Amino acid sequence: NAGVTQTPKFRILKIGQSMTLQCAQDMNHNYMYWYRQDPGMGLKLIYYSVGAGITDKGEVPNGYNVSRSTTEDFPLRLELAAPSQTSVYFCASTTGVGLYEQYFGPGTRLTVT
Amino acid sequence: KNEVEQSPQNLTAQEGEFITINCSYSVGISALHWLQQHPGGGIVSLFMLSSGKKKHGRLIATINIQEKHSSLHITASHPRDSAVYICAVRGVGNQFYFGTGTSLTVIP
Repeated sequence: NAGVTQTPKFRILKIGQSMTLQCAQDMNHNYMYWYRQDPGMGLKLIYYSVGAGITDKGEVPNGYNVSRSTTEDFPLRLELAAPSQTSVYFCASTTGVGLYEQYFGPGTRLTVT
Repeated sequence: KNEVEQSPQNLTAQEGEFITINCSYSVGISALHWLQQHPGGGIVSLFMLSSGKKKHGRLIATINIQEKHSSLHITASHPRDSAVYICAVRGVGNQFYFGTGTSLTVIP
């Protein structure tokens, strides 16, 4: 199993540009999450999904959109990028509620200038 | 106020020392996770627990549900243990809440 994969690893965007961060998992996990990690801060939840076709907002959803058309894929869309979206983005997945390990992707380092 | 507080923020230890990292949380939880983030940025899960104590090699994690507190202990610390250790709790819903992490440096 590849686990959780993310692309790209690095990206520089200009203010106002848009992009999609890709996330895929091959473990048939129902639960998928998008987090951002800012320096000196804990991971913050942007959006999550409990299954194909179901998504919900986390703590910091403004400026982002997600979709979950398949169990495997959970892309994160940034519209009109702003410098405040400069961060490291992690995708994660888990199979259920309770004592289930959360698997993380390698992260995408995004800079908006 | 964060739902999850960790201490200390930074920790430097000599090789072989016993290390303790603390985590307090303020929300109802279904599970508590300890994660390790290496300098390269990757995050891996070390422990998941909802009660008592778990041990993997030199690492021990404990949780006190009544006090809403967990500790991560590293015995006989080694330079390869140098990393950021993150406490995360899974709320009674589907969301996770994360501490800001403890940066550990073990000096040979």
